[in-house]
Amino acid sequence: GEDVEQSLFLSVREGDSSVINCTYTDSSSTYLYWYKQEPGAGLQLLTYIFSNMDMKQDQRLTVLLNKKDKHLSLRIADTQTGDSAIYFCAERGGTNAGKSTFGDGTTLTVKP
Amino acid sequence: DVKVTQSSRYLVKRTGEKVFLECVQDMDHENMFWYRQDPGLGLRLIYFSYDVKMKEKGDIPEGYSVSREKKERFSLILESASTNQTSMYLCASSHRQGIQPQHFGDGTRLSIL
Repeated sequence: GEDVEQSLFLSVREGDSSVINCTYTDSSSTYLYWYKQEPGAGLQLLTYIFSNMDMKQDQRLTVLLNKKDKHLSLRIADTQTGDSAIYFCAERGGTNAGKSTFGDGTTLTVKP
Repeated sequence: DVKVTQSSRYLVKRTGEKVFLECVQDMDHENMFWYRQDPGLGLRLIYFSYDVKMKEKGDIPEGYSVSREKKERFSLILESASTNQTSMYLCASSHRQGIQPQHFGDGTRLSIL
C-alpha cells in the first residue's frame, strides 16, 4: 500500500530556517499536505500543494514538491519557539478520495 | 469559527466495556473521519463516512464500528474494549471534494484498564 516517510526529529535555533522532509510512494497522489500538531491538540492544516505544482509559498512557509523523486519538503523561515510542534506530511491518492496516508510526524524543537 | 468537537478529552474505561466516542462538526461537511494516533505509528484511519448512513473501512477497522445517523455527528464504537485500544482518537471532517481531511477535533485520550 501507500507509504509516507519522515524523519522523526529536527532541532533548530530560533531565527534559523527549518526544513522538514517527506517521501511518499503513491505516484497517483493528487494533493500533498502539511499539518501541525501542538501538544494536547488535534492537527491543524498548515498548507497543501497540488501534485501538478512544484512550489507553493505562504508567508514563512515554502513547500517544495519533486514529483519525479516523490519528495516533499516544508521550509519554515525565521523559525520561532511557537513553531515547536509535530509536523505531519500526508498525501491523498487518486484512487480513493477519502483516504489520505499520513507520515509518522516530525517533532520540531526550536531552541532559543 | 469552524469547529469539530469531540465529546470527551479524557476517558477511562474497563476491558470488555462498550465505549462510545462522539464527534460533531458545524461546517455541513459531507466527509467525517476517525483516526487513532500512537507514538511511532503516526495517524491510522479507522473508518470514514462520506454521507449520512454511509461508511467505509479504513486501515485498522477491527474491533471498531461507526454510526452516522445525522450529517453533523459521527460516532466511533468500541464493541468490547481491550487494552490495545488505549490510544489518542482524533475525529476530522471535510467537504466531499478538496482537502481530506481538513479540520480536526482536539482528540480523546482513551485509556482501557
